[in-house]
Amino acid sequence: QVQLQESGPGLLQPSETLSLTCSVSNGSISSYYWSWIRQPPGKGLEWIGDIYYSGSTNYNPSLKSRVAISVDSSKRQFSLKLSSVTAADTAVYFCARGAYYDIMTGNLYQYGLDVWGQGTTVSVSS
Amino acid sequence: DIQMTQSPSSLSASVGDRVTITCRASQDISNFLAWYQQKPGKAPKLLIYATSTLQSGAPSRFSGRGSGTQFTLTISSLQPEDVATYSCQKYNRAPWTFGLGTKVEIK
Repeated sequence: QVQLQESGPGLLQPSETLSLTCSVSNGSISSYYWSWIRQPPGKGLEWIGDIYYSGSTNYNPSLKSRVAISVDSSKRQFSLKLSSVTAADTAVYFCARGAYYDIMTGNLYQYGLDVWGQGTTVSVSS
Repeated sequence: DIQMTQSPSSLSASVGDRVTITCRASQDISNFLAWYQQKPGKAPKLLIYATSTLQSGAPSRFSGRGSGTQFTLTISSLQPEDVATYSCQKYNRAPWTFGLGTKVEIK
């Protein structure tokens, strides 16, 4: 059973850069898209962006100017960087597994986000 | 970007009741619609994908219907363990967008 685990600092000051890593265990990072999602306190889920294991990315336009997602397949990890944070970036940040792309057939298998990490709380405060 | 509107935002029902939650997309998303269950302090859990396909391990009392812009999630017989927030998500193309969620409580 694939498992995901987020890690990174829980407290940031305004204008700093948020950096989180998601480690993939008991499964392959290859051939999948990997997402970051966040949830501010008492609010709904917001998709931040995703990355294919080869490195191609998609970002939410509302955050695109501040977001960078990268992958290290050798370590089975993918990472999130969000620059110039403010209090509005305070949230629980989740990583999750998305679509499967079969490079041999060119078929994309989409079924939502089927595996999630437990989430990590990030607070932005001076 | 496509917006996802869920209703109601909350509901209270009795054990054994049939419960239906609606999700409306601002544009046609075909059947690229997923439903998630989230219990307090926990990560969301995939319940249904492709509008109506039950994720492995999800109870059969959950079902999904719809296409295009109108979708529903139904719990055929509400159980105490179903107390949670349910969110829809469209995934036809990026950016993926979630509904704001429906909080389900027991009366």
